[in-house]
Amino acid sequence: GAGVSQSPSNKVTEKGKDVELRCDPISGHTALYWYRQSLGQGLEFLIYFQGNSAPDKSGLPSDRFSAERTGGSVSTLTIQRTQQEDSAVYLCASSLNLPPTDTQYFGPGTRLTVL
Amino acid sequence: SQKIEQNSEALNIQEGKTATLTCNYTNYSPAYLQWYRQDPGRGPVFLLLIRENEKEKRKERLKVTFDTTLKQSLFHITASQPADSATYLCALVPNAGNMLTFGGGTRLMVKP
Repeated sequence: GAGVSQSPSNKVTEKGKDVELRCDPISGHTALYWYRQSLGQGLEFLIYFQGNSAPDKSGLPSDRFSAERTGGSVSTLTIQRTQQEDSAVYLCASSLNLPPTDTQYFGPGTRLTVL
Repeated sequence: SQKIEQNSEALNIQEGKTATLTCNYTNYSPAYLQWYRQDPGRGPVFLLLIRENEKEKRKERLKVTFDTTLKQSLFHITASQPADSATYLCALVPNAGNMLTFGGGTRLMVKP
């Protein structure tokens, strides 16, 4: 079956612009995560959605970052007034249920470059 | 502060040898530890999960150990192959929490 998909695969934007990154999780997966990976670094947790519960936003680095998940499926990560330090690969993952023991399946990521 | 440390230097080994990667952590009480493989331009792929009450887990040529006294996990690939070349990430889940915290990863290069 289809895995986690993300779009766009690459995004180049100018400093100060807003960007939206999309994640389509595996169908039926109730948990969805967003991570950020800077060059040569590990993954930094951003936000987590589980079913209909309130999302865990504890990893969002500033109030310029927000995310929503509509209908328990597709998620959008929005970065407002982008800064150069926002340049990174943004990864989405989903799992069937019962995180974190359940396997997380990652998408290919969106590479964001802020000029 | 909480830290997860993996050797940032690449590990170069000869094909057929056993690769051993280390994941050390401080100020954590992890309930679970996971290992992932990441190829360039791709998202991480889950390999193995080990629980705090498990000492060792195996899957084919892979073996993971988890020593909560030493606060260390070792990841072994036996009979390594050039196709095993990738970055390997460890990730911890604390006893009270649902999210993974990742180490910086170690790049493994297996030379034919």
